[in-house]
Amino acid sequence: DIQMTQSPSSLSASVGDTVTISCRASQTVRSYLNWYQQKPGKAPKPLIYGASNLESGVPLRFSGSGSETDFTLTIRSLQPEDFATYYCQHSFSADVTFGPGTKVEI
Amino acid sequence: QVQLQESGPGLVKPSETLSLTCSISGASISSRSHYWAWIRQPPGKGLEWIATIYFSGNTYYNPSLKSRVTISMDTSMTQFSLTVSSVTAADTAIYYCSSYQTLDNYFDTWGQGILVTVSS
Repeated sequence: DIQMTQSPSSLSASVGDTVTISCRASQTVRSYLNWYQQKPGKAPKPLIYGASNLESGVPLRFSGSGSETDFTLTIRSLQPEDFATYYCQHSFSADVTFGPGTKVEI
Repeated sequence: QVQLQESGPGLVKPSETLSLTCSISGASISSRSHYWAWIRQPPGKGLEWIATIYFSGNTYYNPSLKSRVTISMDTSMTQFSLTVSSVTAADTAIYYCSSYQTLDNYFDTWGQGILVTVSS
């Protein structure tokens, strides 16, 4: 099965900062890579699908890039509501896998 | 718009079987636009995919859970279920049901989640 790693596991940032989160797959997943945001006590919410496609309603300050094994989620001009945990997830095969998460803290 | 709601017991005894149901509104299991899945999250930890069922009835399981897990569709086509047998404390988690969009291959809708605690 395909293993997903994320770095960093947590980061501290301020409102207005640009934040970059990395996700790496143990083998190619082409562009079958998705990003989710989860706030405490809530279900995850999709942000990016297909590595770079923004889910409807998600602010344009969120963007995704990458292909094959290396991917990046970028949040520009960080807002107070963006402090959350972010997960990547591959959908290259039926047995999907999530990354361990990156917590973005104030 | 698809909405999902998990239901089931919040407390299960060790060695017993955990059974959960996901009720779907705004779509049907027979729709070719979505597959249906269960995902769990132990308290304070990350997300773990458990199983997916296709409109065809095909099922896919996390290899680490496959021997204890069953996902199934209800004949009403508005519910799908999960059973986990021989549970231990390690199965304590928030269990989410989710719809998986077949066009773009991602989990586009999630239920609110249900906390299941395994304890005697």
